[in-house]
Amino acid sequence: DAKTTQPPSMDCAEGRAANLPCNHSTISGNEYVYWYRQIHSQGPQYIIHGLKNNETNEMASLIITEDRKSSTLILPHATLRDTAVYYCIVRNAGNNRKLIWGLGTSLAVNP
Amino acid sequence: NAGVMQNPRHLVRRRGQEARLRCSPMKGHSHVYWYRQLPEEGLKFMVYLQKENIIDESGMPKERFSAEFPKEGPIILRIQQVVRGDSAAYFCASSPPGGGGAHEQFFGPGTRLTVL
Repeated sequence: DAKTTQPPSMDCAEGRAANLPCNHSTISGNEYVYWYRQIHSQGPQYIIHGLKNNETNEMASLIITEDRKSSTLILPHATLRDTAVYYCIVRNAGNNRKLIWGLGTSLAVNP
Repeated sequence: NAGVMQNPRHLVRRRGQEARLRCSPMKGHSHVYWYRQLPEEGLKFMVYLQKENIIDESGMPKERFSAEFPKEGPIILRIQQVVRGDSAAYFCASSPPGGGGAHEQFFGPGTRLTVL
């Protein structure tokens, strides 16, 4: 599975959009991009995933560049409860579903 | 549909004792995963199970650690002769059946093991 690179930390003002970048320049054609987050001391929570097209759900939007070498997770209106570590993970579509975690981005949403 | 259940939430053991961490996957989920998170570190994959088969245990320490599938009841991560370095949060996750493709993993609240 391809390696991902994320900034270690980011800040965002409450109510504003949080844009979290992820680089995955070695991604291959059958690899999905997943985003999870972990609020302090809790189990990780799935947010969204995509392959080629941009995706949106009730939590966030995922923008994947045309060459698929990077992506951005967008939280449109960040709240204090969105303060968490956000993990971008690339995994192939094969039968081994294990997730390999990096260090993620620690997002602090400030009032 | 209840989420992934883990118990106990906190477990304290002395060096040399055994620890049993239990995981009940979501109803209908046949794929189960264990991850470990050391203090102030990211999650590390340990083992991936499908029903009663071990698919990938490349992250599991070769000794003292094992995954068990009782006929009834939760899946167990067993750690024998615990050492201080085993102190960590252990997370279980599950996902629904199906072949390749994209599959969301649902995580439990974790068991926090402290070895004295």
